[in-house]
Amino acid sequence: DVKVTQSSRYLVKRTGEKVFLECVQDMDHENMFWYRQDPGLGLRLIYFSYDVKMKEKGDIPEGYSVSREKKERFSLILESASTNQTSMYLCASSLSTEQYFGPGTRLTVT
Amino acid sequence: EDKVVQSPLSLVVHEGDTVTLNCSYEVTNFRSLLWYKQEKKAPTFLFMLTSSGIEKKSGRLSSILDKKELFSILNITATQTGDSAVYLCAVQGYGNKLVFGAGTILRVKS
Repeated sequence: DVKVTQSSRYLVKRTGEKVFLECVQDMDHENMFWYRQDPGLGLRLIYFSYDVKMKEKGDIPEGYSVSREKKERFSLILESASTNQTSMYLCASSLSTEQYFGPGTRLTVT
Repeated sequence: EDKVVQSPLSLVVHEGDTVTLNCSYEVTNFRSLLWYKQEKKAPTFLFMLTSSGIEKKSGRLSSILDKKELFSILNITATQTGDSAVYLCAVQGYGNKLVFGAGTILRVKS
């Protein structure tokens, strides 16, 4: 079974803090994705990566950056957290089409 | 811009009812359409559809795609309380990115 894990289920941070969300997959997948999920808006793609050290912007990259130094790990970074980044963050990985999701991190920025 | 629209946004039914969830899309270079079920945590994969008119079935769930009219439906027969979830529709266009709809919240009352 594919396993995608995320470093925290719940996280509370203050405005202006730097925030790291970690995602690890154990199936040697090439592709990894970061989404945020908000009520009524569904899942929106922040960044994705097709290979180590490679990254591409998704639909809403502003205020975020990513890092992929190893194939199994994809990190999402909020350089200076703001209250409008309060959301559920989901990581996913895939070999081709079907994406496998982690359990999500619910981030609250106060 | 690629777009996926799901309807209804939410519905409440009684156990034993049959429900139909809708997904319409506009996407460049369509490759496939996927349905996911999301309970409290990670979305889990249900179906992937690539060809028109071929029904995919898994137990009480079934789905079909119409590539001419650009929509898909997900049917659930004899609903149970365990079917209560958010159902997500996603479409694959160029590359391995998925574009998600906002989801349909289904609540099945006993």
